[in-house]
Amino acid sequence: NAGVMQNPRHLVRRRGQEARLRCSPMKGHSHVYWYRQLPEEGLKFMVYLQKENIIDESGMPKERFSAEFPKEGPSILRIQQVVRGDSAAYFCASSPRSLTGEAYGYTFGSGTRLTVV
Amino acid sequence: AQSVTQPDIHITVSEGASLELRCNYSYGATPYLFWYVQSPGQGLQLLLKYFSGDTLVQGIKGFEAEFKRSQSSFNLRKPSVHWSDAAEYFCAVGAYGATNKLIFGTGTLLAVQP
Repeated sequence: NAGVMQNPRHLVRRRGQEARLRCSPMKGHSHVYWYRQLPEEGLKFMVYLQKENIIDESGMPKERFSAEFPKEGPSILRIQQVVRGDSAAYFCASSPRSLTGEAYGYTFGSGTRLTVV
Repeated sequence: AQSVTQPDIHITVSEGASLELRCNYSYGATPYLFWYVQSPGQGLQLLLKYFSGDTLVQGIKGFEAEFKRSQSSFNLRKPSVHWSDAAEYFCAVGAYGATNKLIFGTGTLLAVQP
């Protein structure tokens, strides 16, 4: 039973390019969360998605960032026209259901470390 | 607004010594509380969680935490630290509701001396 799979593990982009980060949730999980960890900081919530729906994107920057979780395939976090300040570790987590306490303590993937040069 | 404070940025303990990592939270109702551990370059692993009931929670790797409502604290403890416990530890609070998002503290980096 594979855990939350994120790829790539490391991603280097030049300023102005696009970054696409992928997250495959655990089998049977239909809820995905994206968090960002800036250097020497804790994780900050970005977005919460269910299949084909964005539930909460209150932590997403207003511009250049978008997320999707299609009916088929992994969840994608997309960053357009990356800047140096986007360099961070991006973590995905998944859970089987919401609105219950058991949905918490969700499982995190190993993250994608984005470096913008 | 919910928030989590981990007052200790770095802690160094000797192997075999006891450990306590502090966590204070701010939340209007009974929170859901968590401790995660992160080894360098790795993701986060859940150590333990508190939802309700017994205020002393047992977790993996010999860790435990105690919820104290009067102090708004959820401190992590381990009676005898092993060198492999060196890592960064994050406390987090969650709110029951539609979003299930976690609010993380800034972490405590634990170093273990031989």
